[in-house]
Amino acid sequence: QQPVQSPQAVILREGEDAVINCSSSKALYSVHWYRQKHGEAPVFLMILLKGGEQKGHEKISASFNEKKQQSSLYLTASQLSYSGTYFCGTEAGANNLFFGTGTRLTVIP
Amino acid sequence: KAGVTQTPRYLIKTRGQQVTLSCSPISGHRSVSWYQQTPGQGLQFLFEYFSETQRNKGNFPGRFSGRQFSNSRSEMNVSTLELGDSALYLCASSFPFESVDGGGQYFGPGTRLTVL
Repeated sequence: QQPVQSPQAVILREGEDAVINCSSSKALYSVHWYRQKHGEAPVFLMILLKGGEQKGHEKISASFNEKKQQSSLYLTASQLSYSGTYFCGTEAGANNLFFGTGTRLTVIP
Repeated sequence: KAGVTQTPRYLIKTRGQQVTLSCSPISGHRSVSWYQQTPGQGLQFLFEYFSETQRNKGNFPGRFSGRQFSNSRSEMNVSTLELGDSALYLCASSFPFESVDGGGQYFGPGTRLTVL
């Protein structure tokens, strides 16, 4: 039930854009996105719910294709602070979250 | 508002011993989930509690157990420790889906368990 993330790693220069993808083989109720910096706990970015609703605190753009069970996280005009490992978490409606293996994003000056 | 707290932060045990980890959720959060994070397996769901009831359990052996108290604080217990149990154990709490952040998980700093 673990979702598949791609790419596994990406290196960007400041100001460049990136897209991180997450796909599941299960019909999903929601998709979560988190960022984890080295030595720290994952931080909640946003949640995309079935039906199109999105909730979160960050000014981050994401999409959720319910038919394909896919979600994409869009990072635009990247900053050094965007560096970290991004995880998607998927819920198939059972209140348990399955996380992908993560995408390591490195932003360089 | 205080975040999720976990104690202890670091723990060293030997094989065969048991360990109890503690988690205090954000005030008002009634759902508490536990995860195991390792370099090889990533973030894996252990179980989730809501109002003192275990609602879901991941694919871990019965040596892993937990409970939640009436004040939403939660404990996780691992008995008969094995070398492979060495990991970062993360606790996360959340509001219900109808809240402003839609059930997003707020993680504590974790407990780093080393089994020798």
